[in-house]
Amino acid sequence: RKEVEQDPGPFNVPEGATVAFNCTYSNSASQSFFWYRQDCRKEPKLLMSVYSSGNEDGRFTAQLNRASQYISLLIRDSKLSDSATYLCVVSGEGGFKTIFGAGTRLFVKA
Amino acid sequence: DAGVTQSPTHLIKTRGQHVTLRCSPISGHKSVSWYQQVLGQGPQFIFQYYEKEERGRGNFPDRFSARQFPNYSSELNVNALLLGDSALYLCASSLGQIYSNQPQHFGDGTRLSIL
Repeated sequence: RKEVEQDPGPFNVPEGATVAFNCTYSNSASQSFFWYRQDCRKEPKLLMSVYSSGNEDGRFTAQLNRASQYISLLIRDSKLSDSATYLCVVSGEGGFKTIFGAGTRLFVKA
Repeated sequence: DAGVTQSPTHLIKTRGQHVTLRCSPISGHKSVSWYQQVLGQGPQFIFQYYEKEERGRGNFPDRFSARQFPNYSSELNVNALLLGDSALYLCASSLGQIYSNQPQHFGDGTRLSIL
């Protein structure tokens, strides 16, 4: 079992749609959680941190469920510019090792 | 303010050679991490350095080594290059250690091709 698992997609959605991604992690001692966005042949860029209480940034909402060991990202009112790969990131054992999921590809169509 | 800078941008090497990749963190960041990303996969953790000491190591062979300098810049060295080492090598910096919930900021990466 991978330490961080994501559905690779691709998710193909029309503009304006709501789309949700999930990510599961295996290490119950994980400390920190993030969503990153990566455009083709570019570096990953921080989208948002994920907190136990859940957090929202504009059209994006992230949630963490420690009991079930999963993280979610919800994108509302999808834009063409949201097309990218979304990476789930978990700080691993001891907090010194960061594990990335393989990413979920999103295509938003006009 | 300058972000994370990496050099070189692209590099072509042959099998058996060695390579040194360089990274300068964002000013004020003391933690630097290195990742390898092959096409279609997420970045794979190689090393983390904080205050010039190695604080984490991923599942990479001993051919991979790194260090952090007093100015917090870092080098990643790979010896005896193999075809499978062809990848995008990413450097990321953060204020503190990863466990402190500090997000990492990535450089543009070095694209290494092994012939």
